[in-house]
Amino acid sequence: GAVVSQHPSWVICKSGTSVKIECRSLDFQATTMFWYRQFPKQSLMLMATSNEGSKATYEQGVEKDKFLINHASLTLSTLTVTSAHPEDSSFYICSGLIGVNEKLFFGSGTQLSVL
Amino acid sequence: AQTVTQSQPEMSVQEAETVTLSCTYDTSESDYYLFWYKQPPSRQMILVIRQEAYKQQNATENRFSVNFQKAAKSFSLKISDSQLGDAAMYFCAYRAYSGGGADGLTFGKGTHLIIQP
Repeated sequence: GAVVSQHPSWVICKSGTSVKIECRSLDFQATTMFWYRQFPKQSLMLMATSNEGSKATYEQGVEKDKFLINHASLTLSTLTVTSAHPEDSSFYICSGLIGVNEKLFFGSGTQLSVL
Repeated sequence: AQTVTQSQPEMSVQEAETVTLSCTYDTSESDYYLFWYKQPPSRQMILVIRQEAYKQQNATENRFSVNFQKAAKSFSLKISDSQLGDAAMYFCAYRAYSGGGADGLTFGKGTHLIIQP
């Protein structure tokens, strides 16, 4: 199956700093990339949807100025957590979509810990 | 808004036995997809099975099968001949069939499946 490479898999940062997470679709072109957040022992919650070349659409309650999403190409989407705080500590997962009603492919996730 | 409900936070089954995980959902759409995902301790999301709502036939993948009841908005997962490797969190998920922009998945809270050797 198709592969979505997500990096880094684990990052620790100081409060107030910014962290960038990358997701690359290695053998397909992701027209759409979804970003999810998963707190410990909880389910995945959709944060935002990004389409190549256009602005991301954020779910209610997700701060677009804090979670910057860039989808500049069909193979790369990035999530930047700006001015991270301890409450942003979570597991972040991306998921790429080939076509509107095709299958989704998940990255391996990034554990962010903010001290 | 769509909601997905998994009423079993945890299930336990003996190895080689059969177990059924429950899922109900709420939607006003007529066309949509339903999924079961497995999340082992590595936290990699693994697709177990997918069902298109317009298909009456229940999806099957080897030891995994679903019981899709569209009118009841129920989508249960049956795992036959349970194996130790099946131990994981299982998430039921819903996705609208999109005629325009793509929609993300709505997940249930998950069921932790324990396999007793």
